Amino acid sequence: GAVVSQHPSRVICKSGTSVKIECRSLDFQATTMFWYRQFPKQSLMLMATSNEGSKATYEQGVEKDKFLINHASLTLSTLTVTSAHPEDSSFYICSATAGGLGQPQHFGDGTRLSIL
Amino acid sequence: AQSVTQPDIHITVSEGASLELRCNYSYGATPYLFWYVQSPGQGLQLLLKYFSGDTLVQGIKGFEAEFKRSQSSFNLRKPSVHWSDAAEYFCAVVPSGGYQKVTFGTGTKLQVIP
Repeated sequence: GAVVSQHPSRVICKSGTSVKIECRSLDFQATTMFWYRQFPKQSLMLMATSNEGSKATYEQGVEKDKFLINHASLTLSTLTVTSAHPEDSSFYICSATAGGLGQPQHFGDGTRLSIL
Repeated sequence: AQSVTQPDIHITVSEGASLELRCNYSYGATPYLFWYVQSPGQGLQLLLKYFSGDTLVQGIKGFEAEFKRSQSSFNLRKPSVHWSDAAEYFCAVVPSGGYQKVTFGTGTKLQVIP
């Protein structure tokens, strides 16, 4: 149980385009979803926390107009990287939790984003 | 603010040897503690978690971890490492008493040699 599907797994696109990444909880309702960015050989950096039906809470230094997050249902959250540039190239990972005290996060397999 | 320290950036062990990955946390109270594993190019998989009770917790893939309050540690162990265990391992902390964001350690990369 507790499967999180992230799509696409890899995307390559030209500078200036927008890219949407989907994160779905397949067998549970995710009250909270998280979006992380991971730089090579580093740990995960939390970008934002989203609760279903609410606006996302962004971490300091993360541009909310650049990284649009939508959590429209209890099983789906999307991250849209708008007007992507080469410096946005990274590994993006989502996670989801059913909520409740200490519930672990379940992670998707990540999206490798490469901006040319 | 809470923090998580994984002192070993990279560890190499022989297949069949025992393994211990260190994790220390800094937090006012006992938090919820987790270990995750990440294979190259993939997301994170939960190995085990500690909330309360028995300080020795069993996880998947033959891993276990022991919570030691006096040392603020939550070290991960496996008695006999397999080549497939080569991956990056992250210790993570969540404050107890309510759900808040996770703080991850910087990770320990495990290399297994035949």
